[in-house]
Amino acid sequence: DGGITQSPKYLFRKEGQNVTLSCEQNLNHDAMYWYRQDPGQGLRLIYYSQIVNDFQKGDIAEGYSVSREKKESFPLTVTSAQKNPTAFYLCASSTPTGRVGNQPQHFGDGTRLSIL
Amino acid sequence: RKEVEQDPGPFNVPEGATVAFNCTYSNSASQSFFWYRQDCRKEPKLLMSVYSSGNEDGRFTAQLNRASQYISLLIRDSKLSDSATYLCVVNKGNSGYSTLTFGKGTMLLVSP
Repeated sequence: DGGITQSPKYLFRKEGQNVTLSCEQNLNHDAMYWYRQDPGQGLRLIYYSQIVNDFQKGDIAEGYSVSREKKESFPLTVTSAQKNPTAFYLCASSTPTGRVGNQPQHFGDGTRLSIL
Repeated sequence: RKEVEQDPGPFNVPEGATVAFNCTYSNSASQSFFWYRQDCRKEPKLLMSVYSSGNEDGRFTAQLNRASQYISLLIRDSKLSDSATYLCVVNKGNSGYSTLTFGKGTMLLVSP
């Protein structure tokens, strides 16, 4: 079945530690996205990538880094510079058409990150 | 005006009721509109896209008013399984490469 796989489902970070969240998709989508969701809040865009080897900062990129070496994979690293990393992290993908308008985004089932 | 604004709710309705959610958006250049559903502690899932002429999918009807920059979702004959948070989503520009802005969502609770 085609879909988006995020791992791990739960992750704990010690102070000063970098952690990497995995996101893999087999939908052959060009674009991939990382969002953060805090309780009672909407999704906020961290980073996105429209094509392999290229990515752009979203609204809250500070303290995070990404790479896009393969079309299928878009890992997110939460660095020690991110002082409030506890949140629900969601990865999404879509096929941008390049025409007016967007295709909808499809989500993985998320990673919950907490501080030890 | 916020980029995407929704009534946070919760909306408490009995089974079988009709409920309407409203959403306003600030960017007049936006071209793509969606409603997503998010269950507690789960990922958002696409409910339906919203088209200019309005569209219907079973018990769900979506409407768009570009002049007022307003989107609505109507749910008829509510089921217990409709209980969730409904997210209004709008793209940021007029290109297929623009990103999406998610509203904070409106919570719906359907009771027996």
